[in-house]
Amino acid sequence: EVQLVESGGGLVQPGGSLRLSCAASGFTFSSYAMTWVRQAPGKGLEWVSGISGSGGITYYAESVKGRFTISRDNSKNTLYLQMTSLRADDTALYYCAKVAERRVTAPIDYWGQGTLVTVSS
Amino acid sequence: DIQMTQSPSSLSASVGDRVTITCRASQSISSYLNWYQHKSGKAPKLLIYAASSLQSGVPSRFSGSGSGTDFTLTISSLRPEDFATYYCQQTYSTPPNTFGQGTKLEIK
Repeated sequence: EVQLVESGGGLVQPGGSLRLSCAASGFTFSSYAMTWVRQAPGKGLEWVSGISGSGGITYYAESVKGRFTISRDNSKNTLYLQMTSLRADDTALYYCAKVAERRVTAPIDYWGQGTLVTVSS
Repeated sequence: DIQMTQSPSSLSASVGDRVTITCRASQSISSYLNWYQHKSGKAPKLLIYAASSLQSGVPSRFSGSGSGTDFTLTISSLRPEDFATYYCQQTYSTPPNTFGQGTKLEIK
């Protein structure tokens, strides 16, 4: 059974940093691309970042480019999202999600339950 | 970036109704269009991929169609568990793999 368990969310001040983690199990982690998707309170889903199975190719939404860094440790079956220069509009539930193929441009077939990030003073 | 526009933004319907949600892309995305169902407090669920392919385990009352810029998700006969928010997503070419703004399906 595929399981994705996010952690690392919390309350952070504007300008601060946070690192999200996603522990994956139930599939061959290195064979699939992974993504982060977020949902701000009362808003829809927003694609944030994606990474290929090997970790060598990464993509970002314009809204987070230069501030967020996606990475993965295939030896630990773990996905990360390093978030810096956080702003109030980064407040959201962050979902870790497995892509159905090795490339990032493919459907998302499994999602975690999400970890909440709140940016506020 | 490719923009995805769903209509309507919200919809009221009754159990047993046939419902159609549309999604329009700002440029042609061939058939690289996916549909997700999202219930509050739960993880989103993939329903349809590649515009018309039913994800394993998804009931056959869900169907998708379209190509190019215009797509539809149809639920043939609504069941109580279908009331949720539905999102389209394009996975054409280089990310970001943008989502539509969502369609909230409510009970009439």
